[in-house]
Amino acid sequence: KAGVTQTPRYLIKTRGQQVTLSCSPISGHRSVSWYQQTPGQGLQFLFEYFSETQRNKGNFPGRFSGRQFSNSRSEMNVSTLELGDSALYLCASSLATLGNTIYFGEGSWLTVV
Amino acid sequence: EDQVTQSPEALRLQEGESSSLNCSYTVSGLRGLFWYRQDPGKGPEFLFTLYSAGEEKEKERLKATLTKKESFLHITAPKPEDSATYLCAVQAPNSGGGADGLTFGKGTHLIIQP
Repeated sequence: KAGVTQTPRYLIKTRGQQVTLSCSPISGHRSVSWYQQTPGQGLQFLFEYFSETQRNKGNFPGRFSGRQFSNSRSEMNVSTLELGDSALYLCASSLATLGNTIYFGEGSWLTVV
Repeated sequence: EDQVTQSPEALRLQEGESSSLNCSYTVSGLRGLFWYRQDPGKGPEFLFTLYSAGEEKEKERLKATLTKKESFLHITAPKPEDSATYLCAVQAPNSGGGADGLTFGKGTHLIIQP
């Protein structure tokens, strides 16, 4: 059974640019959530999508956005990149039922220079 | 104020030396408490979910327990391959992750020396 797949794994961007990260959840999983991980702040919740609707949002500026498609695949976008956006971005998926397990992908490493 | 606090931040043990990691939480309406293991450069690997006080789960050398205020991850006779960062997270409506996301602690970096 394939796990959560994230692309690209590594990327380098310049300040002011924008970036789009992609996530394919485990087959059958309808909930996809995104997290940012940095050495200083640890893992922080960005947002969660279910059936193409954003249900929850963390405390991040509007430059961070996401969407989910009808096949449950999801993308997140960061516009006007800042140096502080350098981080590991993790996607997680679940069945979204009570008692569900939340599985993570390997992440996308973003470096902003 | 942190809603999930893990201690210690780092722990170094000898192979075979059992110990416990702590995760205390202050959220209400807990839907689930999750434990993950994370190796350097990789995504978190799911270990356990606990739902109610008094619940316990075991997997190989690991055992997780839950009370109304904290969870413990007990490691019995650890081996070097158990070295990793162990992350605790809660799922609760009034937490940073909302009802469907996870709010994580900062993790415990565990090193098992041969």
